[in-house]
Amino acid sequence: SAVISQKPSRDICQRGTSLTIQCQVDSQVTMMFWYRQQPGQSLTLIATANQGSEATYESGFVIDKFPISRPNLTFSTLTVSNMSPEDSSIYLCSVLIWGEQYFGPGTRLTVT
Amino acid sequence: DAKTTQPNSMESNEEEPVHLPCNHSTISGTDYIHWYRQLPSQGPEYVIHGLTSNVNNRMASLAIAEDRKSSTLILHRATLRDAAVYYCILWGKSTFGDGTTLTVKP
Repeated sequence: SAVISQKPSRDICQRGTSLTIQCQVDSQVTMMFWYRQQPGQSLTLIATANQGSEATYESGFVIDKFPISRPNLTFSTLTVSNMSPEDSSIYLCSVLIWGEQYFGPGTRLTVT
Repeated sequence: DAKTTQPNSMESNEEEPVHLPCNHSTISGTDYIHWYRQLPSQGPEYVIHGLTSNVNNRMASLAIAEDRKSSTLILHRATLRDAAVYYCILWGKSTFGDGTTLTVKP
């Protein structure tokens, strides 16, 4: 299993600003993922971030809006850039270990 | 893109078994079937996964149809703490789907 922490746990931001979310894992993992969960909805994959390679973005998500860093096997950041109210969501990081996927507690972002 | 369909909601009584169905008729031969559950204000929690054979772990059992077009998550004795949204996904696909909200009645 894996213990995943995220910072911040929640934030309220003004439109036009950017927020960087940190994800820390207690073990070394190759595959890490970032998801978005909009209010009352299911999870949507933003991108896959494997250490040592560029992040792979899903349809509808672009690097300029959601830049991701993956400097080592236990850490990643997701930046939500030039925020608008439509970016208000819970953002979750996740890792895959031996076929099992584990999720962080999420970062609740509200954009005003 | 292969997707899954689940009932929006199900109810169960405490201490009784629960069978949560999932249809995935467009599944490909290499798609793993994963189940997760999400309690309010928490990230999803891994429950179980399988490819072709039925699987058991300490949390649940997963029954996979022979043609793999459907599967069933079995909670053998539901407790109040099992009340959650249960997601059936084909691992690697980008969207979780709407899931089934399980209500457990005491």
